Amino acid sequence: IVLTQSPATLSLSPGDRATLSCRASQSVAHYLAWYRQKPGQAPKLLIYDASNRAPGIPARFTGSGSGTDFTLSVSSLEPEDFGVYYCQQRNNWPLTFGGGTRVEVK
Amino acid sequence: QVQLEQSGTDVKRPGASVRVSCKASGYNFISYDINWVRQAPGQGLEWVGGTSPYNGNTSFAQKFQGRVSLTTDTSTSTVYLDLWSLRLDDTAVYFCARDPRPCAGECSSPGWFDAWGQGSLVTVSS
Repeated sequence: IVLTQSPATLSLSPGDRATLSCRASQSVAHYLAWYRQKPGQAPKLLIYDASNRAPGIPARFTGSGSGTDFTLSVSSLEPEDFGVYYCQQRNNWPLTFGGGTRVEVK
Repeated sequence: QVQLEQSGTDVKRPGASVRVSCKASGYNFISYDINWVRQAPGQGLEWVGGTSPYNGNTSFAQKFQGRVSLTTDTSTSTVYLDLWSLRLDDTAVYFCARDPRPCAGECSSPGWFDAWGQGSLVTVSS
């Protein structure tokens, strides 16, 4: 299953709202996760199964969608939210990741 | 707390083999699957394979079949990734990551990853 993320880059300021998209080439039901990766670090789990925030993830992160279209929203960007965001499906083997959306400081 | 500690940087020639280790702590090791994800320089994430420390079952991405293995030492809570017949495009950071479902060998579907190692850079260069 191919996951296509858009846009490739988002240029925003702290306090702005971010909306990231992940589209699957076929239905993945609700089995989609989101991660954020900062330079030189491992990815960090934000959302699993489309809309469940991982433990310790603040409420400004919201995941939604099902089937083939998913969205990750960040209501008000904090300085630590800038980085690259990846979606990952687990509906079918092999599990796959999207190509990423870079959220950069405008 | 859950921690995954990986081995360090390695440099290999094309055709050689490499072993990367991932030592787990802070949880019941055998109940949770460990997966490996790699990231080539400046690129995205690619799943390599996963294993159940409970029963040793493994699964791999098709592109790695035949030149990868995952083994587990339950006495030290360590999972080893072995990759052989290395090519230049195997140059990447290799991450181990934990599936948070307490599968104990029973999960047949892929998971997601709640804890990651720090990454191990493997450079393949002639």
